[in-house]
Amino acid sequence: AQKVTQTQTSISVVEKTTVTMDCVYETRDSSYFLFWYKQTASGEIVFLIRQDSYKKENATVGHYSLNFQKPKSSIGLIITATQIEDSAVYFCAMSHQGGRALIFGTGTTVSVSP
Amino acid sequence: EAAVTQSPRNKVTVTGGNVTLSCRQTNSHNYMYWYRQDTGHGLRLIHYSYGAGNLQIGDVPDGYKATRTTQEDFFLLLELASPSQTSLYFCASSDVGGRGEQYFGPGTRLTVL
Repeated sequence: AQKVTQTQTSISVVEKTTVTMDCVYETRDSSYFLFWYKQTASGEIVFLIRQDSYKKENATVGHYSLNFQKPKSSIGLIITATQIEDSAVYFCAMSHQGGRALIFGTGTTVSVSP
Repeated sequence: EAAVTQSPRNKVTVTGGNVTLSCRQTNSHNYMYWYRQDTGHGLRLIHYSYGAGNLQIGDVPDGYKATRTTQEDFFLLLELASPSQTSLYFCASSDVGGRGEQYFGPGTRLTVL
């Protein structure tokens, strides 16, 4: 069965530093898609960044980047130069049900302090 | 303008009651999804659809029905609500299913007393 695991429940960092959060996944699919989403304090959920399994290069969008380690079934999210507004819950997700849906991890809460 | 809207935003009902949650998307997406979010569980897929009249079973479907009446509208039905269905419900849409990003609605908080 497919599964997405985020073991870090919460992380606290100081503003302008780098935060890294982990995600491991289980799948038998040879081709799959990995995503990170952010849920703000207001409850809004937004897409951040994606990694397609067949791509070797780590995806980067703004100050978000991914550490994709396919042999370890791992897709870490790295946020550089953190800002107070980066305080949120971050969810890892993977394509699911033959690529028609997503399965989500349980989330990591990031708190950025001044 | 929000592309995925949900109504109501908050709902309180009693055990055994009927509840319908509504979702509308203006993204012209084929796929629509219903999730529930509970502390410690993240987002769990209830039902989804890839077009009007289509319904697919998600990972936690028990106690829920759903219906996709048009490309824009997807409804989640709780016919005999139970306290275990107290949760935050999100609707989302996507143009290419699990191969692309999903756009989420603002959520509906449901309380079953």
